[in-house]
Amino acid sequence: DVQMTQSPSSLSASVGDRVTISCRASQSLSTYLNWYQVKPGKAPRVLIYGTTNLQSGVPSRFSGTSSGTDFTLTISGLQPEDFATYFCQQTYSTPYTFGQGTNVEIK
Amino acid sequence: QLQLQESGSGLLKPSQTLSLTCTVSGGSISTDGYAWSWIRHPPGKGLEWIGYIFYRGSAYYNPSLETRLTISLDRSKNQFSLRLTSVTAADTAVYYCARDGSPQNYGMDVWGQGTTVTVSS
Repeated sequence: DVQMTQSPSSLSASVGDRVTISCRASQSLSTYLNWYQVKPGKAPRVLIYGTTNLQSGVPSRFSGTSSGTDFTLTISGLQPEDFATYFCQQTYSTPYTFGQGTNVEIK
Repeated sequence: QLQLQESGSGLLKPSQTLSLTCTVSGGSISTDGYAWSWIRHPPGKGLEWIGYIFYRGSAYYNPSLETRLTISLDRSKNQFSLRLTSVTAADTAVYYCARDGSPQNYGMDVWGQGTTVTVSS
C-alpha cells in the first residue's frame, strides 16, 4: 500500500494567515493526489484534484503544488469557514489511502 | 444536481452484518469514467477507503476488508450497496458513499452526508 505521511497533525492560525499542509507519499503518484476538507456533521468536500486542479466552486485561496513525492496544500488568507480538518488522498493505486489529517484551529 | 444519500443499519452487535445502501439522485449511476466508492471515518482516526464498483459491475476492495466485504450495484434503482460481515467494534465509523472520478483523476467529487454505524454489545 502507498503510505501517505501528512503534517502537521494540527495547527493554530488566525484569520488572514497563510497556511501550508504537507503530504509525503511513499512512492511516485504522478499527479494522482487530492485534498479534502472535512467539517463535523458535513460531507467531505474535494478542494484540489489531480495535485493542482481547483474543484469548481472552491475559493481560489486554496491551491495545490508538488515536488516529487511531496505535495502541499496552501490556503492563502485563512477565512473563518476554513477552520476544519484537511486530508490528502492518493488515487494512483488501490487501495486508495489518505493522510492522517490536519486539524486547523483558531488561534 | 447529483446527490447521494446513505441508508441502513446504524446499531449492530459484534458478529452481525452491516448493510448500507447509497441512493443516487439527480443523475445516473450508469456513467462511464466514474466509480462509486464507500469510505469510512472511525472516531478519532483518519479516513479509510473501503472499495468501489463500476456500473458495469466490476468491484475493487481494500484488502484489509476483502474477506468480509461485498459491494453491489442496482442500475434499475440507481443504487449501490455495501455488505460487511462479522463486524467488530473496529468497524464503528461514519460511513460515506461518494462518486469517484479517480479513473479520470478527478477525485471523489460528490459525497453523501454520511451515516453513523456503531458496533457494541
